[in-house]
Amino acid sequence: VQVVESGGAMVQPGRSLRISCAASGFTFSSYSMSWVRQAPGKGLEWVSVITGTDGRSWYADSVKGRFTVSRDNSKNTLYLQMNSLRVEDTAIYYCAKNKFVATVSELTFDSWGPGTLVAVSS
Amino acid sequence: AIQLAQSPSSLSAFVGDRISITCRASQDIRSALVWYQQKPGKAPRLVIYDADRLETGVPSRFSGSGSGTDFTLTISGLQPEDFATYYCQQFLDYPPLTFGGGTKVEMK
Repeated sequence: VQVVESGGAMVQPGRSLRISCAASGFTFSSYSMSWVRQAPGKGLEWVSVITGTDGRSWYADSVKGRFTVSRDNSKNTLYLQMNSLRVEDTAIYYCAKNKFVATVSELTFDSWGPGTLVAVSS
Repeated sequence: AIQLAQSPSSLSAFVGDRISITCRASQDIRSALVWYQQKPGKAPRLVIYDADRLETGVPSRFSGSGSGTDFTLTISGLQPEDFATYYCQQFLDYPPLTFGGGTKVEMK
């Protein structure tokens, strides 16, 4: 089981960025997937989750209306489209797989990627 | 939103010590509590799920207990590789999914 994020970059406030997470070693479509971020020197903050097949999603209030999570099960890839980026969005963004198959009600992350850094600065 | 308060925020201990970290939820979360370990520059690692179930591959010196609002992560016989930051997380009621503020375990 492996998940690997990519696409992190330094961007100016107000700009957009899409990051990706490539998954392998498991039946990607069977698991809900989440994004969790960690600002420099800070704790963990959940960002979003998307179900495995029907694409339902939920967001933290801090990103609702600005970020959109999606997935392409044919490519085993998870995405996070981030619009109207703010300085406070600066963080390492982790992709995390749910431990339990076919559920979004028991969010327990058993596989994490190494993270990708998004830095928002003018 | 359910808030999780971890204590202490940091602790110092010797190799071989038994340590406990507490996570207190702002409302009843039954057993919907997870513990992660994170080392500097690395992603978190699942340690305990459903409050007291040991993740596969995690040494048996780790244990979790509690239900409702009060939970504990215990490490019996601290090893050098256990020095890290530990986070609790609840999944009973989201959004938002919430994490505790973390407990840094340092070597004395």
